[in-house]
Amino acid sequence: QITLKESGPTLVKPTQTLTLTCTFSGFSLSTSGVSVGWVRQPPGKALEWLALIYWDDDKRYSPSLKSRLSITKDTSKNQVVLTLANMDPVDTATYYCAHMGTNRHFGYWGRGTLVTVSS
Amino acid sequence: NFMLTQPHSVSESPGKTVTISCTDSSGSIASKFVQWYQQRPGSAPTTVIYENKQRPSGVPDRFSGSIDSSSNSASLSISGLKTEDEADYYCQSYDSSNVHYVFGTGTKVTVL
Repeated sequence: QITLKESGPTLVKPTQTLTLTCTFSGFSLSTSGVSVGWVRQPPGKALEWLALIYWDDDKRYSPSLKSRLSITKDTSKNQVVLTLANMDPVDTATYYCAHMGTNRHFGYWGRGTLVTVSS
Repeated sequence: NFMLTQPHSVSESPGKTVTISCTDSSGSIASKFVQWYQQRPGSAPTTVIYENKQRPSGVPDRFSGSIDSSSNSASLSISGLKTEDEADYYCQSYDSSNVHYVFGTGTKVTVL
């Protein structure tokens, strides 16, 4: 059974760096073809893809946020970490991590974590 | 980069069929796979269609996906509408070099 869970701060101040951790079980991020991604959703708005890390440590970033994003993995801990620098109130959103297999769809999602940016 | 545009909302009566479009701004939808996600209020998205027309196990065959190269769009059809189908639906794809992933603008389906 594949599960994912996001963790991190619920409130950050403008200009701070957000660090979110995705802890997963039921699969290994060292298995060929597997990847974990991050998706966010501002309140009442659409989903937005942020980043993806592959089993071979290849990384992909949203072009509009690439300069502020970083994604890393710790295979031994079954964790993926996302950092987003220079947070702004428009970054207020629910942040999800999700598993992507060889069929390239996000088949398993965490419950999401709401991050509010406010001074 | 490219965008996927969906109608803001669609509505139909129970038992009817609704179709949601997803138009690719890059003009090359036939060269990539499209996925569709259902998101109910307060919940994470779940996949209803992947690789254009494949259904994950547990998704009823009332859900179907297709691609139309002539209009450069993908479509999700839901037949035999049920009140439980009321949700937001998002298409999703990636660019031809698999570098960037994109979600559509989202469509709210209302079952009258």
